[in-house]
Amino acid sequence: VHLMQSGTELKKPGESLRISCKASGYSFTSFWITWVRQLPGKGLEWMGTSDPTDSYTMYSPSFQGHVTISTDKTINTAFLEWDSLQASDTAMYFCARRSDRHLDSWGQGTLIVVSS
Amino acid sequence: DIRMTQSPSSLSASVGDRVTLTCRASQDISNSLAWYQQKPGKAPKCLIYAASRLESGVPSRFSGSGSGTDYTLTISRLQPEDFATYYCQQYYYNAVTFGQGTKLEIK
Repeated sequence: VHLMQSGTELKKPGESLRISCKASGYSFTSFWITWVRQLPGKGLEWMGTSDPTDSYTMYSPSFQGHVTISTDKTINTAFLEWDSLQASDTAMYFCARRSDRHLDSWGQGTLIVVSS
Repeated sequence: DIRMTQSPSSLSASVGDRVTLTCRASQDISNSLAWYQQKPGKAPKCLIYAASRLESGVPSRFSGSGSGTDYTLTISRLQPEDFATYYCQQYYYNAVTFGQGTKLEIK
């Protein structure tokens, strides 16, 4: 099982962004994908979890409306997207595979820095 | 949301020590609890799920226990590679929540 995330991003406030998480080594549609945020020096926050079968997504109320989580089963990839980044979005973002509802495999993380 | 509270926030210990980390949920989570280890600059790694089941490949010196609202992670004999931050996570509800973490440092 391997989750490969896209690389570090340096963006300006107001810009849009989509980061990716490509899965390999297992059946992509058999496990939901979760996104987790980690602010600098802080703990882990659940953002949302998506079913790759149909992209049905459950969002944390803290992130609902600010990000969009999606999946593309034709390329075994999950996405996390912002329409308008804010400085407060500066963080490390992890994707993880949900197995028996816990997170058994994680991507390496994508660092996003939002600064003018 | 279910609130997860870990204690202590930080802990100093020596190689070979036995340590116990605690996680308390704000309501009964029926063993729907996982423990993760995170080293600086790295992704978290699952150690324990369903409160006491060892994830594949995790050394047997790690063990989990508990029920209801109170759970523990025990490391029987600390190794140098065990110094890291540990998080608990409840998944009783789809809206999962993490504890704030316990940082395990070398004494």
